[in-house]
Amino acid sequence: GAVVSQHPSRVICKSGTSVKIECRSLDFQATTMFWYRQFPKQSLMLMATSNEGSKATYEQGVEKDKFLINHASLTLSTLTVTSAHPEDSSFYICSARAPNLGYGYTFGSGTRLTVV
Amino acid sequence: DAKTTQPTSMDCAEGRAANLPCNHSTISGNEYVYWYRQIHSQGPQYIIHGLKNNETNEMASLIITEDRKSSTLILPHATLRDTAVYYCIVSIYNQGGKLIFGQGTELSVKP
Repeated sequence: GAVVSQHPSRVICKSGTSVKIECRSLDFQATTMFWYRQFPKQSLMLMATSNEGSKATYEQGVEKDKFLINHASLTLSTLTVTSAHPEDSSFYICSARAPNLGYGYTFGSGTRLTVV
Repeated sequence: DAKTTQPTSMDCAEGRAANLPCNHSTISGNEYVYWYRQIHSQGPQYIIHGLKNNETNEMASLIITEDRKSSTLILPHATLRDTAVYYCIVSIYNQGGKLIFGQGTELSVKP
């Protein structure tokens, strides 16, 4: 139980295009989800907190107009990287609090984005 | 959220217990200690979390000192598949609580 599914697992896009990443809680409802970014050999960096039915809260230094987050239902949050550039190439990971983990956090398997 | 300090790397022999320390001297009363691990190019995997009592599950044990300023994650019988980066995180236990990752400990389990 408490599975978070991320799609796609890998994506390659051209510079200037937009890419949407989906994060779904499969067997529980998640009013809050979190989006992280991870560069090679670095730790995870929290980008934003996604709240169902309201605006996302972005961490300092994260461009909200570039990384659009939508959390339209209790089981789905999406991250759209707009006008992608090569420096946006990274590993993007989502997370949600899971009731069967005593409300510990469960993570998706991540999306590897490569912008060419 | 309180910060944590972990050793950068550790080695452990296969079959032996792996004891991973974490200092969180500025932890506040309503902050939990969470442990996660990340195997290369995968999402972090939940291991265990606790507030002040020691905790045990099928994966590991979590020992928290009485003053809560440090903790130790114990993998009782490490296997090669336990090779990963282990993250100790403290976070407020409420809907707004978020996990801020530090650099973690790179554990290498060797045959």
